[in-house]
Amino acid sequence: RKEVEQDPGPFNVPEGATVAFNCTYSNSASQSFFWYRQDCRKEPKLLMSVYSSGNEDGRFTAQLNRASQYISLLIRDSKLSDSATYLCVVNGGNYGGATNKLIFGTGTLLAVQP
Amino acid sequence: DGGITQSPKYLFRKEGQNVTLSCEQNLNHDAMYWYRQDPGQGLRLIYYSQIVNDFQKGDIAEGYSVSREKKESFPLTVTSAQKNPTAFYLCASSINEGFGNEQFFGPGTRLTVL
Repeated sequence: RKEVEQDPGPFNVPEGATVAFNCTYSNSASQSFFWYRQDCRKEPKLLMSVYSSGNEDGRFTAQLNRASQYISLLIRDSKLSDSATYLCVVNGGNYGGATNKLIFGTGTLLAVQP
Repeated sequence: DGGITQSPKYLFRKEGQNVTLSCEQNLNHDAMYWYRQDPGQGLRLIYYSQIVNDFQKGDIAEGYSVSREKKESFPLTVTSAQKNPTAFYLCASSINEGFGNEQFFGPGTRLTVL
């Protein structure tokens, strides 16, 4: 089983649509969770950290379910500029839950169509 | 402007040659990391450093070496022992190595072995 699993997509959605990405992780000791965005041939950029209570930043909402080891990202009112690969990122892996070693999912590709 | 710089952006190497990738940060971060990204795979940790003059192997350190003589700088050498060096190399930094601290990435170096 992969340490962080994501649906690779692609997700093709029209502008204005709501889209949800899911991610599961295998290490129950993980303590920190992130969503990064990566544009084609560019570096990953932090989109948001994910907190146990869930958090929202404008059109983006992230949820964490520790019992199910599941993380989600919801994007409302999709824009063309949201087209990118979204990486689910979890700390720990072989290094334990108290470190800042990050384990990256392979990413989910989103293509927002006009 | 605070940030992380990597150079060169593109690098071509002949088989059997060692090459060094530069990574510099002016964020005053203690921790620095090197990752490798291959198509269809998540980022994988090569080496990391929690503090000056200290570094540890990540998941795929074979064929690579690093140094951390200054807080701002964490160069990566890809040696001829690395069997499949063609990849996108990303350097990152975080305030320290504690979990939950966001990692910020440089723009990356694309290495191609001819």
